[in-house]
Amino acid sequence: EAQVTQNPRYLITVTGKKLTVTCSQNMNHEYMSWYRQDPGLGLRQIYYSMNVEVTDKGDVPEGYKVSRKEKRNFPLILESPSPNQTSLYFCASSLWGGAETQYFGPGTRLLVL
Amino acid sequence: SQQGEEDPQALSIQEGENATMNCSYKTSINNLQWYRQNSGRGLVHLILIRSNEREKHSGRLRVTLDTSKKSSSLLITASRAADTASYFCATDDGGGSEKLVFGKGTKLTVNP
Repeated sequence: EAQVTQNPRYLITVTGKKLTVTCSQNMNHEYMSWYRQDPGLGLRQIYYSMNVEVTDKGDVPEGYKVSRKEKRNFPLILESPSPNQTSLYFCASSLWGGAETQYFGPGTRLLVL
Repeated sequence: SQQGEEDPQALSIQEGENATMNCSYKTSINNLQWYRQNSGRGLVHLILIRSNEREKHSGRLRVTLDTSKKSSSLLITASRAADTASYFCATDDGGGSEKLVFGKGTKLTVNP
């Protein structure tokens, strides 16, 4: 089944403790991206990647890192999480770019204490 | 950055009625997309309309795009309780970056 998977789905952590949220797609898509969703603010793009080893900042990249070492995987790294990073995170992928149909993962709900 | 803005923020209708949501954006675009999100779940793509298209249909969905007014509308006809969800428009920036920018969404409630 064609899909985007994220792990973990739920995560509670403490301020400053490094964490990684994984994202994987099995559709051979070139483009992958991360979003955060907060009440009243909609979805905001954190980072996106056009291909392996090519990443670019979205609108809210501060406090996040990403890497794209393999085409199928695009992990989101929070090196020193803070409470304002408590949010619902979505990974998405598309065939070649931001202007095309995006396929979303199920989301990761993160609480930073 | 530019952002699509949906209007209204919330809409409550009865089953069988039509629902219309609007989206405005700020700069030129290549495509405009509409997505649906059921409470807290992943977004599902509904329809994509390209900048050289004016109208597009998919089942009970009708999307229009007016590039001169930088606006789009999503019409859901003969709504059902299962259409209850949040609806978002998303735009690229038309200028070469591959950013995708979402609006804040319209929360639609369809009452049985």
